[in-house]
Amino acid sequence: NAGVMQNPRHLVRRRGQEARLRCSPMKGHSHVYWYRQLPEEGLKFMVYLQKENIIDESGMPKERFSAEFPKEGPSILRIQQVVRGDSAAYFCASSPLGRTSGDTDTQYFGPGTRLTVL
Amino acid sequence: KNQVEQSPQSLIILEGKNCTLQCNYTVSPFSNLRWYKQDTGRGPVSLTIMTFSENTKSNGRYTATLDADTKQSSLHITASQLSDSASYICVVSAEGNTPLVFGKGTRLSVIA
Repeated sequence: NAGVMQNPRHLVRRRGQEARLRCSPMKGHSHVYWYRQLPEEGLKFMVYLQKENIIDESGMPKERFSAEFPKEGPSILRIQQVVRGDSAAYFCASSPLGRTSGDTDTQYFGPGTRLTVL
Repeated sequence: KNQVEQSPQSLIILEGKNCTLQCNYTVSPFSNLRWYKQDTGRGPVSLTIMTFSENTKSNGRYTATLDADTKQSSLHITASQLSDSASYICVVSAEGNTPLVFGKGTRLSVIA
């Protein structure tokens, strides 16, 4: 059973370009979470999705950022018109049961995508 | 505001020695607390999880403790190995459909 997969592992974009980050959850997991980690900072929640639905996007900036988790295929985090402040590591996690299941649900993290904006 | 504070920020120890990492939290209402290990350039990996009623949990050479009254947790690493060098992150979950709250981590370096 492969773990959470993210690609690309490293992404370089110039200011104003678009960045697309992909996440394939573990087999059997229908809950996906995106986090951002700035250097020397803890992970910050961005968005929580279940197949075809956004459950919680309270941590995601209202402009330029969007996320989806289609019925088929990976989850996508999209950043339009990137700025230097978007440079960070973006981690995806998946879980089998979801946040409302309580103590028994564990999130499994992917290796992250390191975005650098020039 | 829900917060998780960890100390020390970084730690260097000799191979074979023990160490203890600290975590204080203000997350409420508390549901559970997890310790994750994050190797450089990798995603976090879960080590332990404790609920309100548990005050200690072990996973090999890792032992986590929880004092829900004082809202403190510790992670004790016994007989450290070079491969223990990583960031150790304390993560607290509140009840209900709310995001996990992450500490900034303690960066542990184990040297020969």
